[in-house]
Amino acid sequence: DTAVSQTPKYLVTQMGNDKSIKCEQNLGHDTMYWYKQDSKKFLKIMFSYNNKELIINETVPNRFSPKSPDKAHLNLHINSLELGDSAVYFCASSLLTRPGELFFGEGSRLTVL
Amino acid sequence: GDSVTQMEGPVTLSEEAFLTINCTYTATGYPSLFWYVQYPGEGLQLLLKATKADDKGSNKGFEATYRKETTSFHLEKGSVQVSDSAVYFCALDRDDKIIFGKGTRLHILP
Repeated sequence: DTAVSQTPKYLVTQMGNDKSIKCEQNLGHDTMYWYKQDSKKFLKIMFSYNNKELIINETVPNRFSPKSPDKAHLNLHINSLELGDSAVYFCASSLLTRPGELFFGEGSRLTVL
Repeated sequence: GDSVTQMEGPVTLSEEAFLTINCTYTATGYPSLFWYVQYPGEGLQLLLKATKADDKGSNKGFEATYRKETTSFHLEKGSVQVSDSAVYFCALDRDDKIIFGKGTRLHILP
């Protein structure tokens, strides 16, 4: 059983389109995250949610909107995609009491043409 | 602000060589420190951690010691294998936010 699963794994789309990435975790964790990894492997946190509440919202364009319907799911919707949004997006989860111990999904590679 | 600095890669070694990947941090107080590993095409996995000064984290033959005096958390392994080829990330925990270094790519030649 995959602990943190993301879909889709690959996404190729045109500039200006809107797309979503979904994430689910079956670890019983209460905190979930979205990270963006650029082509040089640099990882940047975008958002984190604890029990469906937004707790970290880094400087991210408001074209990016996370949604957490319950504590096992965290989705990321991106409006009006731009070339610079091309990256690998990772979902991760943890217990709030052990924030450094992240469990990552396999990533969703987004390519904007 | 808080930050993590890792040695630039790529690091290329022969199998069975000794590995050191340097990591230093800047932070107020005493954050927890971590090493994560990312194998090709996969997400990151926690490799080891240390939560206070002089703690040694270890896993899969890798070790790192939390050195407060030098603000360092260098990753070491006595004898690397081809399967250790991956990108390694040093990280610290600050206010429930994990700050990652830029990663060091490791290539092990057979």
